[in-house]
Amino acid sequence: QVQLQESGPGLVKPSETLSLNCTVSGVSISTYYWGWVRQPPGKGLEWIGHMYYTGNSKYNPSFESRVTISIDTSKSQFSLQLRSVTGADTAIYYCATCSGARCYELGFWGQGTTVIVSS
Amino acid sequence: DIQMTQSPSSLSASVGDRVTITCQASHDISNSVNWYQHKAGKAPTILISGASTLERGVPSRFSGRGSGTHFTFTISSLQPEDFATYFCQQYDRLPITFGQGTRLEIK
Repeated sequence: QVQLQESGPGLVKPSETLSLNCTVSGVSISTYYWGWVRQPPGKGLEWIGHMYYTGNSKYNPSFESRVTISIDTSKSQFSLQLRSVTGADTAIYYCATCSGARCYELGFWGQGTTVIVSS
Repeated sequence: DIQMTQSPSSLSASVGDRVTITCQASHDISNSVNWYQHKAGKAPTILISGASTLERGVPSRFSGRGSGTHFTFTISSLQPEDFATYFCQQYDRLPITFGQGTRLEIK
């Protein structure tokens, strides 16, 4: 079955870059768009962006100036980089599959990884 | 951005109860709504797509209705495994947005 697993540092210093990986198993990386969603403490979910293996990507305008999603097809992994982080970027970060360029369905999710931004 | 206003934020109910959760969209989004279940520490799972289509393998006690701006999600007879957080998501236009979530607790 399709499985996604997030990995990366749980603590990032303010102004630095948050980097997370998502390892995919059970499905070809070319099947879906691959996305990131986060949930800050006490708040709702926020879509960050998603990308297809061809490089076609969509980003939430709220993050667009400081976010990059990339895909490594050889490793069946995709990554999130969020630059210039602040305490407001403290959140649980989820990777997920997106159906279609409009991400009309997030069919499979990882369990999430907590990232704290603090010095 | 389209705002999804979900209510209630929390709900206490008993096994066997019928519960309904509502999402109100800030603009007409046709039937472009999904509903998810999330248990703490686990991956969220999609239950309903297109406002009312039950995903494969999802029990029939779950249902969804609505179109335009008003959407409802109902569990007809709560089972012990249903106590979790539920949230809606719109995909009518980017950025996709989510409701704040409803935490369903055992009374």
